[in-house]
Amino acid sequence: EPEVTQTPSHQVTQMGQEVILRCVPISNHLYFYWYRQILGQKVEFLVSFYNNEISEKSEIFDDQFSVERPDGSNFTLKIRSTKLEDSAMYFCASSEPGQVTYEQYFGPGTRLTVT
Amino acid sequence: LAKTTQPISMDSYEGQEVNITCSHNNIATNDYITWYQQFPSQGPRFIIQGYKTKVTNEVASLFIPADRKSSTLSLPRVSLSDTAVYYCLVAPYTGGFKTIFGAGTRLFVKA
Repeated sequence: EPEVTQTPSHQVTQMGQEVILRCVPISNHLYFYWYRQILGQKVEFLVSFYNNEISEKSEIFDDQFSVERPDGSNFTLKIRSTKLEDSAMYFCASSEPGQVTYEQYFGPGTRLTVT
Repeated sequence: LAKTTQPISMDSYEGQEVNITCSHNNIATNDYITWYQQFPSQGPRFIIQGYKTKVTNEVASLFIPADRKSSTLSLPRVSLSDTAVYYCLVAPYTGGFKTIFGAGTRLFVKA
């Protein structure tokens, strides 16, 4: 069964550093998403991406964040200058267009620890 | 986006049927109801989606009354492995898919 993959599984970085989280969505999917989940809290929507541009973003997704689809397979989330409060699990997801469904396929996540 | 209300937690025993109800009083005409499951340290997993009446798949059933102001996820004969957080989402089918997760219901299945 096709699945969304994410790398790395765990990233430790120092405050102020830039990080890039990588995702490979399911190959025939055209909508891509990033979410984060702070330990013990709910899953929070960050951004959705379609046709090489951002479709929706939340108030969390400020100028510190950016997304990119640099090639035909990867989808990345860049956090420019990390803060302690960016420590969280970051999930990538993808979905097919053209169906009346909210069936998003989530990756296993990247645990980001900012020290 | 419609606000949803679910119980914070529920306990059950193996083999029982579990029903988790979600309230969404201000659901809009073009809103769909979707349920996700999340195990610890994993991403959410889609369970089921519906618009009205009843939907059933190999995992669960979703009951939606005529007024659509609530919905009930039914898990038949739960096992220990069904211990997870269950999220009810209500949102329109529009481009962009701004998916908002609530706090969810933490289901604990006991032996």
